[in-house]
Amino acid sequence: ETGVTQTPRHLVMGMTNKKSLKCEQHLGHNAMYWYKQSAKKPLELMFVYNFKEQTENNSVPSRFSPECPNSSHLFLHLHTLQPEDSALYLCASSQRTGNTIYFGEGSWLTVV
Amino acid sequence: AQTVTQSQPEMSVQEAETVTLSCTYDTSESDYYLFWYKQPPSRQMILVIRQEAYKQQNATENRFSVNFQKAAKSFSLKISDSQLGDAAMYFCAYRSGANAGGTSYGKLTFGQGTILTVHP
Repeated sequence: ETGVTQTPRHLVMGMTNKKSLKCEQHLGHNAMYWYKQSAKKPLELMFVYNFKEQTENNSVPSRFSPECPNSSHLFLHLHTLQPEDSALYLCASSQRTGNTIYFGEGSWLTVV
Repeated sequence: AQTVTQSQPEMSVQEAETVTLSCTYDTSESDYYLFWYKQPPSRQMILVIRQEAYKQQNATENRFSVNFQKAAKSFSLKISDSQLGDAAMYFCAYRSGANAGGTSYGKLTFGQGTILTVHP
């Protein structure tokens, strides 16, 4: 059982829909991350949150809107996505001063 | 910016044999960590092994070991006594250390990945 859980595991949405991905970590960490994994591309960091504050936005389009209400939960709100946004979205967490990042199982997103 | 390169898109090994996956990286930092992650068909990224740059001794975790060549900026993964369950995509990753400062700390930079096939 992973210490980082993501829901839903699979999501199909239309380009005009609004949906959200949820991530919860049970490891007592204080930093959380969203990564995007597209076919044939390395994993790309999207956002970093430290102690609920966003410290990194890696030039992500505004149609992706993250939210971190507390150190254990991280959301990725999705609206008016494009088909090229179809990918595996991985959530991860770590201690702010720790050296290892732990990942969830990912949420498969398909935009139709 | 740091870069990580895995030059082997695919590798294969016979069960019980040994295989080495290659990784090189580029950085101007002196404080950093290197990782190998495994991604099986379930798609979860699983930490295999970690190496601190300040440590000269190569990390070892059971059948997994690394050859860390800091001057050459090389970080290869050796899998001994390969098992069918080792079949997966393997990613090499770099993370700046706490002394790197700024917002670079905490970010993982990944290589392109190597698909490992294990033949029975």
